[in-house]
Amino acid sequence: SQTIHQWPATLVQPVGSPLSLECTVEGTSNPNLYWYRQAAGRGLQLLFYSVGIGQISSEVPQNLSASRPQDRQFILSSKKLLLSDSGFYLCAWSVAQGTEAFFGQGTRLTVV
Amino acid sequence: LAKTTQPISMDSYEGQEVNITCSHNNIATNDYITWYQQFPSQGPRFIIQGYKTKVTNEVASLFIPADRKSSTLSLPRVSLSDTAVYYCPGTKGGSYIPTFGRGTSLIVHP
Repeated sequence: SQTIHQWPATLVQPVGSPLSLECTVEGTSNPNLYWYRQAAGRGLQLLFYSVGIGQISSEVPQNLSASRPQDRQFILSSKKLLLSDSGFYLCAWSVAQGTEAFFGQGTRLTVV
Repeated sequence: LAKTTQPISMDSYEGQEVNITCSHNNIATNDYITWYQQFPSQGPRFIIQGYKTKVTNEVASLFIPADRKSSTLSLPRVSLSDTAVYYCPGTKGGSYIPTFGRGTSLIVHP
């Protein structure tokens, strides 16, 4: 069966510090991978998606970047965090031509 | 980009049936309609999907009219544990790339 791992569960980082969130998927090949962010009281915003290794599409211009170094690994990064980067970050995957997305447990990021 | 529109919030009481409607004004011909449920501090989880007419599973029913411009998620006899945010995401691109909005925050009262 397929599983998705996302870590860490919570993170408190100072403004200006770097960020690296990692997500891995098991039990499937060539999945679509996604990073979403949910700010307090806001909807679920698509940040990045990837349909293959090294292929990254950015949805919103911002202080973040994403990389997919391996087929089932998706990394969200920032060189210098801003207060506005605080939020709940969710990684998800789907089969390329599928109709259903599967989400990780999320990372609660607080920038102080 | 196939966007969707749904109410921001709804209130109900235990034991009632709840219907949440979503507009899919520019849905693509090959897109399925999916609904997700999200509890606080958790990722959304898939609850039901359909293409047209009616689909029912152990959790909910989904009604889709012939023109597929809308869908209605029906939750029978809700309980307090059904308090959650419900999403009907749109899609973008040729692959399934779900785009979520704010969803519908359902609060079930005792």
